[in-house]
Amino acid sequence: DAKTTQPPSMDCAEGRAANLPCNHSTISGNEYVYWYRQIHSQGPQYIIHGLKNNETNEMASLIITEDRKSSTLILPHATLRDTAVYYCIVIRRGNQGGKLIFGQGTELSVKP
Amino acid sequence: DGGITQSPKYLFRKEGQNVTLSCEQNLNHDAMYWYRQDPGQGLRLIYYSQIVNDFQKGDIAEGYSVSREKKESFPLTVTSAQKNPTAFYLCASSMVAPYEWGNEQFFGPGTRLTVL
Repeated sequence: DAKTTQPPSMDCAEGRAANLPCNHSTISGNEYVYWYRQIHSQGPQYIIHGLKNNETNEMASLIITEDRKSSTLILPHATLRDTAVYYCIVIRRGNQGGKLIFGQGTELSVKP
Repeated sequence: DGGITQSPKYLFRKEGQNVTLSCEQNLNHDAMYWYRQDPGQGLRLIYYSQIVNDFQKGDIAEGYSVSREKKESFPLTVTSAQKNPTAFYLCASSMVAPYEWGNEQFFGPGTRLTVL
């Protein structure tokens, strides 16, 4: 599976959009981009995933560049409860029931 | 409500004792997983199971054992052979499907094990 690179930490003001970048320059055509987050001392939570098109759900939007070498997770109106570590994971299609490789992630601090 | 339960939330054991961590899910998922997380680190896979009565070692299986006798349950035993067992243990489950849904894992609240 492709390796990902994320900044170790970011700050965001409450109510503003949080834009979390992820580089995955070695991604291959059959690999998806997944995002999870982990609030302190809790289990990780799935947020969103995509292949090549931009995706949006009730939690966030995912923007994947045309060359698929990077992506951005957008939390449109960050709240204090969005403070968490965000993990970007690239997973091969067909990895059903297989392992996820969690890197260091980005620690997002949402401040009042 | 559907979900994954892990018990207890905090567990203390003396060095040299085996301890079993519980994980139960009522999501009707076929696959279940155990991860370990150390302070400031990402998750590392210990064992996973895609079907009842079958399981595979993950990246750090040494010193751990599991069983999968029922679809709903995937207990993890931390044995005395595990050199550094103090950690946060997370259980997860997912569907196993022809598409990418197997990658959407649902996590339990975790058990924090401290070996004294």
